[in-house]
Amino acid sequence: EAQVTQNPRYLITVTGKKLTVTCSQNMNHEYMSWYRQDPGLGLRQIYYSMNVEVTDKGDVPEGYKVSRKEKRNFPLILESPSPNQTSLYFCASSPRDRTSWLHPHTFGSGTRLTVV
Amino acid sequence: KNEVEQSPQNLTAQEGEFITINCSYSVGISALHWLQQHPGGGIVSLFMLSSGKKKHGRLIATINIQEKHSSLHITASHPRDSAVYICAVSPAMKYGGSQGNLIFGKGTKLSVKP
Repeated sequence: EAQVTQNPRYLITVTGKKLTVTCSQNMNHEYMSWYRQDPGLGLRQIYYSMNVEVTDKGDVPEGYKVSRKEKRNFPLILESPSPNQTSLYFCASSPRDRTSWLHPHTFGSGTRLTVV
Repeated sequence: KNEVEQSPQNLTAQEGEFITINCSYSVGISALHWLQQHPGGGIVSLFMLSSGKKKHGRLIATINIQEKHSSLHITASHPRDSAVYICAVSPAMKYGGSQGNLIFGKGTKLSVKP
């Protein structure tokens, strides 16, 4: 089944303890992206990647790192999580072809992160 | 000022009604996305369009690039259409946008009563 898989689904952690949220897709998509969703603010883009070894900042990159060493994986790293990073996180991917990178996204199921 | 504005924020309809959700944006775009977020939290991409109109089942999406406006219509609405509908735009590079960047509206919460 074509899908984007995020892990974990739920995570409670303490301030300052490094964590990684994994994202993997099995559709050979070039484009991958991370978003956070907060009440009243909606979805906001954190980082995105147009292809392997190519990453760019979205609108709210502070406090996050990403890497794209292989096509299928795009982990989100919080080196020193803080309570303001408590949020619902989504990973998404889409294909990109020679004429356009613009294709509908496939979203992961989300990761609910609580930082205490 | 938000770059993507949706209206209404909340919408309650009776089953069978025709529903329209609006999205206005202030930047030049290369594409506009309509997403559906289920009550359980999962997000599904409904449409991606850069001009004209697209239809899928009872859902129709239109876009007017000159007016920077898009609408999502649901015909013969059903309680299972109850969800949050989210508009998102990809800013065009020729207007200073960055390929891959996506800007979201805050969503329209739709509730369809039986």
